[in-house]
Amino acid sequence: GAGVSQSPSNKVTEKGKDVELRCDPISGHTALYWYRQRLGQGLEFLIYFQGNSAPDKSGLPSDRFSAERTGESVSTLTIQRTQQEDSAVYLCASSRLGLGYTFGSGTRLTVV
Amino acid sequence: QQQVKQSPQSLIVQKGGIPIINCAYENTAFDYFPWYQQFPGKGPALLIAIRPDVSEKKEGRFTISFNKSAKQFSLHIMDSQPGDSATYFCAALENTPLVFGKGTRLSVIA
Repeated sequence: GAGVSQSPSNKVTEKGKDVELRCDPISGHTALYWYRQRLGQGLEFLIYFQGNSAPDKSGLPSDRFSAERTGESVSTLTIQRTQQEDSAVYLCASSRLGLGYTFGSGTRLTVV
Repeated sequence: QQQVKQSPQSLIVQKGGIPIINCAYENTAFDYFPWYQQFPGKGPALLIAIRPDVSEKKEGRFTISFNKSAKQFSLHIMDSQPGDSATYFCAALENTPLVFGKGTRLSVIA
């Protein structure tokens, strides 16, 4: 597609429930990244996929967070047993050569 | 440990003024320094980027100044307009992923 697409754009969930966030990268972009942005804060790296290589999971804050990517296409970020501190905007980006990341508009997650 | 330190947190300038946003880093292996612009409800968008082998890069009204010895780089916005009001993030790259500063919220008032 023309840009990085994320869904849903907004998600409200009850504490303790699991959520899945989806990212459709730009076609041909081999690299895909997930970042978290808390209100008024910078971008916190979560996980990175490059082609068929093992993902870099070094930024995942706890074992409640996981992500998958099928080949060079869609990725899903899953948060299990959500907590209020998980409330944030989750941003996905893709890139062709590791430079010039293109971000989606994000999923705003609110845990109540 | 914050790898890229950005200042100020917020900035208000009059239309036509030249806001300057500064970033500092410690890791001398960083070799790519982009700036991103983010409007409310949108993801960050790449604005301009520089490599450490040049001291300045201009694209339209946006200029990056880079001081390798001081390990600092800054964004200047010439003739700022109300439409430039946004949050700006500096970033740095050694190996993936990009490391971001905490952002500067810029308001340009008419």
